[in-house]
Amino acid sequence: GAGVSQSPRYKVAKRGQDVALRCDPISGHVSLFWYQQALGQGPEFLTYFQNEAQLDKSGLPSDRFFAERPEGSVSTLKIQRTQQEDSAVYLCASSPQRGPGLTEAFFGQGTRLTVV
Amino acid sequence: KQEVTQIPAALSVPEGENLVLNCSFTDSAIYNLQWFRQDPGKGLTSLLLIQSSQREQTSGRLNASLDKSSGRSTLYIAASQPGDSATYLCVVYNFNKFYFGSGTKLNVKP
Repeated sequence: GAGVSQSPRYKVAKRGQDVALRCDPISGHVSLFWYQQALGQGPEFLTYFQNEAQLDKSGLPSDRFFAERPEGSVSTLKIQRTQQEDSAVYLCASSPQRGPGLTEAFFGQGTRLTVV
Repeated sequence: KQEVTQIPAALSVPEGENLVLNCSFTDSAIYNLQWFRQDPGKGLTSLLLIQSSQREQTSGRLNASLDKSSGRSTLYIAASQPGDSATYLCVVYNFNKFYFGSGTKLNVKP
């Protein structure tokens, strides 16, 4: 597609439910990022992939959060046993560059997760 | 850890005014800096990207400057319009990661 696509756009989950958020990056983009944006805040880094390798997962807030990109294209962010504090917009970004000199990133529209 | 700060947090101006949004960052060893706008319920729209070797970029009514040594960037918007109302985010790129400011929420009144 022309841009980064995320699905679903909106997700309401009951507390304790598992959710899976999908990101389709721009075709051929090497780098893929997940960010979490709480209401009224700037996005916070969760994790970074270079192709299928998860090079940095330092931003994942707990072991309930898991991300994968098994074939180096589509990525899934999974949250187990959701809690109310997980409510946020989850943004995915991809970039054609790798490593130093990382340049422009392209963002999806995000998935708004509400845990009730 | 890189810290990115944006001032002011919110700004309300009448249509037609020129305005400046400020961004500061603590670690000057950046590769580049990008300004985005975010509209409610929508994703991030890239406005300007400044490479670390550049000092400014211009696009239409927008001009962004970068002073790496002092850890600052400004976004200048000329002749503001109601359609410019949005949250403006400053994003700093370091190796394998980029850091966001918390944004400036701009309201341009007709």
